[in-house]
Amino acid sequence: DAGVTQSPTHLIKTRGQQVTLRCSPKSGHDTVSWYQQALGQGPQFIFQYYEEEERQRGNFPDRFSGHQFPNYSSELNVNALLLGDSALYLCASSLGTGASTNEKLFFGSGTQLSVL
Amino acid sequence: GQQLNQSPQSMFIQEGEDVSMNCTSSSIFNTWLWYKQDPGEGPVLLIALYKAGELTSNGRLTAQFGITRKDSFLNISASIPSDVGIYFCAGSEYGNKLVFGAGTILRVKS
Repeated sequence: DAGVTQSPTHLIKTRGQQVTLRCSPKSGHDTVSWYQQALGQGPQFIFQYYEEEERQRGNFPDRFSGHQFPNYSSELNVNALLLGDSALYLCASSLGTGASTNEKLFFGSGTQLSVL
Repeated sequence: GQQLNQSPQSMFIQEGEDVSMNCTSSSIFNTWLWYKQDPGEGPVLLIALYKAGELTSNGRLTAQFGITRKDSFLNISASIPSDVGIYFCAGSEYGNKLVFGAGTILRVKS
């Protein structure tokens, strides 16, 4: 049973470019959340997708957008990259969106994005 | 916005010692969670707490949800080398929007 898979594992971009990160949730999960983890910090919530819609959003600019597909996989898009966007981007999947699903939130290994 | 203050930032301990770390918040949370993150990996859930005052164990790990719902602690008993890593506390008001602390880096002297 595959867990949460993310691709690519590493990515290097330059300022102003656009990037797309991908996530496949754990089998049986229908909800995908994205987090940004800067070096030496804890993960910060970007947004959550359920039923192909953005359900919750953290304090991130509109340059950060996402999508969820009918098979529950998800993409995170970042436009007009800034140096400060360099971070580990984590995808987490779960079943449903209720508070009781927190214990069943599974994280992928992340995509390390470097913006030069 | 919501912030979690996690302490200590890092610690060295002798193998076999007990470890204690804590987390405080300016906001009330309905759920507290503790995660461990190894290099190159995503966080892995250690313990989830859902009720104020709740004390929960998972092997050598014990965590408590503070009565005020604004704090939590994690204890590790009889530490071993594989306990090395970064420990994060996280709070949640609802759903899966987690607010994380900055982490406690645990290093063990073998």
